[in-house]
Amino acid sequence: GAGVSQSPSNKVTEKGKDVELRCDPISGHTALYWYRQRLGQGLEFLIYFQGNSAPDKSGLPSDRFSAERTGESVSTLTIQRTQQEDSAVYLCASSSDWGVATDTQYFGPGTRLTVL
Amino acid sequence: AQSVSQHNHHVILSEAASLELGCNYSYGGTVNLFWYVQYPGQHLQLLLKYFSGDPLVKGIKGFEAEFIKSKFSFNLRKPSVQWSDTAEYFCAVKGTASKLTFGTGTRLQVTL
Repeated sequence: GAGVSQSPSNKVTEKGKDVELRCDPISGHTALYWYRQRLGQGLEFLIYFQGNSAPDKSGLPSDRFSAERTGESVSTLTIQRTQQEDSAVYLCASSSDWGVATDTQYFGPGTRLTVL
Repeated sequence: AQSVSQHNHHVILSEAASLELGCNYSYGGTVNLFWYVQYPGQHLQLLLKYFSGDPLVKGIKGFEAEFIKSKFSFNLRKPSVQWSDTAEYFCAVKGTASKLTFGTGTRLQVTL
């Protein structure tokens, strides 16, 4: 497809379980970002990948959160031992001009995670 | 660290009214500024962006924003809103790092 896709669109899990969220970026986009949007708050940065460089993990809230990316394609965000405060919409974005001033991020539809 | 403030959390306007949504940022260096919009049931879409040059930028659907460096502001405007503009609007800033820092959003409700 032409845009960023994410799956699943909704995920309900029990506290303490692990979850995996998937993101397919726009084809050819070298940079991929994960953000989180908790209810009533703005988006908060989690992590980004650019090519083969080491990812910027500075936004990950705890060591329960991790992410991987295969080459310049799919990325998976994993949350271990989920907590209720992890409930949020997780958004993925990609861009083609990382490091260039005019770089613009395009967002996917998000995954709504609910931890019971 | 960079931050973004959107002062209006919920705005209700009648169709044809003029719109101005406030956005102020905190960052000491060169910034790139963005407005994103999220229509009900849809994903976040880019409305407009500022990188350099003319501080008045025009986006899609008749929206514009003005970068005022001295005020650290990037307010969004539209002369005449339509019912279809009902959405949540997010201001974002990008400094030297690639990540975006977002405001908390403004929910716009346009009534007929």
